[in-house]
Amino acid sequence: SAVISQKPSRDICQRGTSLTIQCQVDSQVTMMFWYRQQPGQSLTLIATANQGSEATYESGFVIDKFPISRPNLTFSTLTVSNMSPEDSSIYLCSATISYEQYFGPGTRLTVT
Amino acid sequence: KQEVTQIPAALSVPEGENLVLNCSFTDSAIYNLQWFRQDPGKGLTSLLLIQSSQREQTSGRLNASLDKSSGRSTLYIAASQPGDSATYLCAVRPDSSYKLIFGSGTRLLVRP
Repeated sequence: SAVISQKPSRDICQRGTSLTIQCQVDSQVTMMFWYRQQPGQSLTLIATANQGSEATYESGFVIDKFPISRPNLTFSTLTVSNMSPEDSSIYLCSATISYEQYFGPGTRLTVT
Repeated sequence: KQEVTQIPAALSVPEGENLVLNCSFTDSAIYNLQWFRQDPGKGLTSLLLIQSSQREQTSGRLNASLDKSSGRSTLYIAASQPGDSATYLCAVRPDSSYKLIFGSGTRLLVRP
């Protein structure tokens, strides 16, 4: 199994600012994933982050808006840039270990 | 394109009742299927993982079955308790992909 932690757990941000979310896994993993969950919705994959290469973004998500770093096999960051109220969501970090996917506790972002 | 559907969207039962949550998927070419639990405003907790070659998995009061050929999985919860109240999400990993595809979830309320 895996334990995944995220910081911050929640934040309230002003329109136009940026927030960086950190994700730490307690073991080395090849792939890490970032998801968004808008209010009342299921999860939507933003991007896949591999160590040593550029993140792969899903349709509708772009690097300028959601830059991702993956400096090593246990850590990743997601930045939500130039925020608007539509970015208010829970952002979840995830990793796969032995074919099972684990999730962090999420970061609840409110943009005012 | 793989689609995952969960029925019902919401369910309210009295404490002690046995219940079944349903998940269906359109493409039977899956690598595995995973059931998750999500408490309000929180991350996802993995409940059960079923590989494509397996028919069922059990953990405590939970039993998940998989019928790959018919594109269906069920999550059976025995002797439900108020602490089981949460949203239950089903997700499949296609054979050809490392990405999970999520259903929209079943919101369960167990009344004392």
